[in-house]
Amino acid sequence: DIQMTQSPSTLSASVGDRVTITCRASQSVSNWLAWYQQKPGNAPKLLIYKASNLESGVPSRFSGSGSGTEFTLTISSLQPDDFATYYCQQYSSYSTFGQGTKVAI
Amino acid sequence: QVQLIQSGPEVKKPGASVKISCKTSGYTFSNYGFTWVRQAPGQGLEWMGWISAYIGYTSYSQKFQGRVTITADTSTSTAYMDLRGLTSDDTALYYCARVSGTYLGPSEYWGQGTLVTVSS
Repeated sequence: DIQMTQSPSTLSASVGDRVTITCRASQSVSNWLAWYQQKPGNAPKLLIYKASNLESGVPSRFSGSGSGTEFTLTISSLQPDDFATYYCQQYSSYSTFGQGTKVAI
Repeated sequence: QVQLIQSGPEVKKPGASVKISCKTSGYTFSNYGFTWVRQAPGQGLEWMGWISAYIGYTSYSQKFQGRVTITADTSTSTAYMDLRGLTSDDTALYYCARVSGTYLGPSEYWGQGTLVTVSS
């Protein structure tokens, strides 16, 4: 199985900060990677697919980059609505999620 | 609009089985697939497996192979996930989510989740 490792596990930030979350795969997943946002009590919400493609309706302050084994999710200017947990997901070989990154105040 | 509505919460004893449904509407069921993901209390997301209603293909995480069966009923536009041999470690919120019909991809539409509690 492909393992996905996110860092950091928890991130403390303030409104307006630029935030970067990293996701590393144990082997290449090409660009078959997605990012999700999850808030307590809600299902995950798709933000990015194929590593860098913004899902329809997602604010442009979210962006994704990377390929192979290393990927990043960047929030250019953190907004109050962005405090949540973020997960990466590979879908190159079956599927695996990272362990999550909680973005907190 | 696309909707995925899951069945209600379940309480099961260890060793039992649970079958969760995911009824869909708002699109052509047979053109897509479904993935099942679970989340233990306070924990992260765990992928279990997927089915393509389009090509009739299933695959499962090695962790659940032999214990899980995912099916799709095109006549009722409903997907199902059957998990057997339950233990307390299976206590979790189980989600269905729509994926492409031809490959396992990302999920833009999710059900509301079904809580399964395993307790003696």
